[in-house]
Amino acid sequence: QSVLTQPPSASGTPGQRVTISCSGSSSNIGLNYVYWYQHLPGTAPKLLIYMNNQRPSGVPDRFSGSKSGTSASLAISGLRSEDEADYYCATWDDSLSGVFGGGTKLTVL
Amino acid sequence: EVQLLESGGVLVQPGGSLRLSCAASGFTFSSYAMSWVRQAPGKGLEWVSGISTGGSTTYYADSVKGRFTISRDNSKNTLYLQMNSLRAEDTAVYYCAKDATSAMIPHSWGQGTLVTVSS
Repeated sequence: QSVLTQPPSASGTPGQRVTISCSGSSSNIGLNYVYWYQHLPGTAPKLLIYMNNQRPSGVPDRFSGSKSGTSASLAISGLRSEDEADYYCATWDDSLSGVFGGGTKLTVL
Repeated sequence: EVQLLESGGVLVQPGGSLRLSCAASGFTFSSYAMSWVRQAPGKGLEWVSGISTGGSTTYYADSVKGRFTISRDNSKNTLYLQMNSLRAEDTAVYYCAKDATSAMIPHSWGQGTLVTVSS
């Protein structure tokens, strides 16, 4: 059982916009920045969003993040086949540990 | 370019010990907090441990507290994870990560090293 709650799966067709939610609490998302990662099996996870809504250089602006209260969301617009991957949210918890969501498997139909 | 190269993952028996290493390059290692994150087979990512820039402050997930010890040698640009009293549930790919400047949360990741705990 992960501290942060994500839907286990999401899907969309090429060109569509999909959103992935991440629900936490006042001890984690409510107080700290949220980070989002893309993970393909057998590879290193890749940072997509940091500090709630900032994109590292090289990440397309199709990826965007937002946070409100104790929840956060990752939006992917103009969905492409190469976006098919697992997506994770993460943040710091006041119990003095990092916490991740359970992950969302995105399928491009 | 940030490079993180983990090593030390092997097959070990339950109750055994193991030390993972992570050689860092491409950035000023001593200026960044570092973390270990793992992924068990078929499971999601799990934060394991974090360490401050100088090594004086460390944090652990409840699942490894008292069994794992994180440390770093800034003169060698190397991060370590000493793993004792290993259990089957510790079987996972272990990733070394350079943390974000804004939190002890991964920014850049290594490719990972596989630890298998089995008799």
